[in-house]
Amino acid sequence: DTGVSQDPRHKITKRGQNVTFRCDPISEHNRLYWYRQTLGQGPEFLTYFQNEAQLEKSRLLSDRFSAERPKGSFSTLEIQRTEQGDSAMYLCASSSRTGRRSNQPQHFGDGTRLSIL
Amino acid sequence: AQSVTQLGSHVSVSEGALVLLRCNYSSSVPPYLFWYVQYPNQGLQLLLKYTSAATLVKGINGFEAEFKKSETSFHLTKPSAHMSDAAEYFCAVSETHNNNDMRFGAGTRLTVKP
Repeated sequence: DTGVSQDPRHKITKRGQNVTFRCDPISEHNRLYWYRQTLGQGPEFLTYFQNEAQLEKSRLLSDRFSAERPKGSFSTLEIQRTEQGDSAMYLCASSSRTGRRSNQPQHFGDGTRLSIL
Repeated sequence: AQSVTQLGSHVSVSEGALVLLRCNYSSSVPPYLFWYVQYPNQGLQLLLKYTSAATLVKGINGFEAEFKKSETSFHLTKPSAHMSDAAEYFCAVSETHNNNDMRFGAGTRLTVKP
């Protein structure tokens, strides 16, 4: 178990540029989540995948944001035309599904910190 | 919608003293409840979870939490604080078993004084 891996750890870019983050979940986990965390706040849910299917998207996820998980393994989160307000920590988490009513907690990566100049 | 409120954005204790971090939840169904810890520039690490089994839940690093339905609380405690416990702590609630609706509190920063 190598844990959830996120790349890059830090990203600094100019306003208006596009950025893409990658998340590699724990290998046997079929559920993957993206969160955004701003300073002094808890994580806010962005979107959720079960295998390759994107099952839920938050209203926080504007049309400048897109997430994919093409083969049900790693996931990417892209932000187009970045704005100052996009500066945050973007966290990825994964969990397994071992039973229909079983609650498996999420395991988090160390996040990608995005800074918009 | 479900939510959690963490009372006290900052808590300071002396090394060896009792740690008490407060969390109250709101949920329309029996909730799943979690405590996570976050160290600087890192992701969240699960301390413990409540999933409707025993109301007193024991976690890692000597932490435990008690689910009290009558008080809608899930406070986190540790009998004796260690310097390494200094971190940000988050309480979270979910109403579904796949946790795709998880809501986090704003966090409590724990400082441990020598």
